Amino acid sequence: GQQVMQIPQYQHVQEGEDFTTYCNSSTTLSNIQWYKQRPGGHPVFLIQLVKSGEVKKQKRLTFQFGEAKKNSSLHITATQTTDVGTYFCAGPRYSGNTPLVFGKGTRLSVIA
Amino acid sequence: DAGITQSPRHKVTETGTPVTLRCHQTENHRYMYWYRQDPGHGLRLIHYSYGVKDTDKGEVSDGYSVSRSKTEDFLLTLESATSSQTSVYFCAISESGGGSYNEQFFGPGTRLTVL
Repeated sequence: GQQVMQIPQYQHVQEGEDFTTYCNSSTTLSNIQWYKQRPGGHPVFLIQLVKSGEVKKQKRLTFQFGEAKKNSSLHITATQTTDVGTYFCAGPRYSGNTPLVFGKGTRLSVIA
Repeated sequence: DAGITQSPRHKVTETGTPVTLRCHQTENHRYMYWYRQDPGHGLRLIHYSYGVKDTDKGEVSDGYSVSRSKTEDFLLTLESATSSQTSVYFCAISESGGGSYNEQFFGPGTRLTVL
């Protein structure tokens, strides 16, 4: 079945530095979603990418979907302490109406 | 936040006892999911439901059963809890499955400790 790998597992940055997490799938994805989980909280949906090569921005966050629809990235410009948390990517387990399979996440720590 | 509640929020139990976790939604979403979250493993799907009385297994379903008798409620049962089932359990909902471009909304989680 579908596997989604995410790197790095942990990232520590100084406030103001940039951060990037990468997501790679073993198969082509119909779409990919990104979630953020604050410490002690629950995952919260950030965005969904559908088209090959798609790029979407949310303020300081930039999301990309690869041309082959097998990889994705999340880039945060000039991190802030509010960016602390774990970022997960997720893609459909199989084609059609199926559950998502989540990557193991990248935990971001921001040092003020 | 979407209308999803989980009960109990915290539970400590002993090995061998049955445990039932409840997820309740007020969004009338068709799909409901149970995940467990453990350090180093991310979110792993236990079971999911695509309608009343329609359920299917996820990747870590052994030792768990589920039931959905109403759209709004999805129950997760550990028939005989083991220490390996100590985890944080999240319920999630979505209007449709992951292949149909709909995000999942997560509940606040239940922290279960099995001694």
